[in-house]
Amino acid sequence: AQSVTQLDSQVPVFEEAPVELRCNYSSSVSVYLFWYVQYPNQGLQLLLKYLSGSTLVKGINGFEAEFNKSQTSFHLRKPSVHISDTAEYFCAALPGGGYQKVTFGTGTKLQVIP
Amino acid sequence: DAGITQSPRHKVTETGTPVTLRCHQTENHRYMYWYRQDPGHGLRLIHYSYGVKDTDKGEVSDGYSVSRSKTEDFLLTLESATSSQTSVYFCAISLQGEAQGYTFGSGTRLTVV
Repeated sequence: AQSVTQLDSQVPVFEEAPVELRCNYSSSVSVYLFWYVQYPNQGLQLLLKYLSGSTLVKGINGFEAEFNKSQTSFHLRKPSVHISDTAEYFCAALPGGGYQKVTFGTGTKLQVIP
Repeated sequence: DAGITQSPRHKVTETGTPVTLRCHQTENHRYMYWYRQDPGHGLRLIHYSYGVKDTDKGEVSDGYSVSRSKTEDFLLTLESATSSQTSVYFCAISLQGEAQGYTFGSGTRLTVV
């Protein structure tokens, strides 16, 4: 079964500093990868997804992620964070080939410090 | 925002009582899902539906049932609520399936006492 690991449960970062949220998935012949953001008391919102093609994926709110097959990683990055980026971020993976379901990581709470 | 509404938003119920949570969508999406969110576990799939009267179990389906008699409504029922079912429940929809990504509702916070 697919597994998704988010190594950092919390990441504090100062405003306007860069941030990287780490995500590793268990190896699969093909895999689709996603990042979602959850603001307090809200549902999750899709930030970006990798299905195929370019390994650098750009999403909403200035976020981007890079698919690295050899390291089975899909880390999320933003060059300069804002207070409004304070939220919890979830990585998710879907093995290709059909009849599979999405597996979510346990989440990383990003705290932007003024 | 996509038209997806969960009700109720909050509920407190007693152990052993039945509880039904409703997910209503106005997007005419074929695919609907119920997840629960618990600290340290992320989101776990309870049940899903690929269309009217077409439902199946997810990884944590014990103690839950679902029904989908109309495209727009997906109901989650806890037959006899237990304290372990205290959680935040999210409904998600997708037009073309899992690879497209999901649109989530705002969630239902359920407390079983």
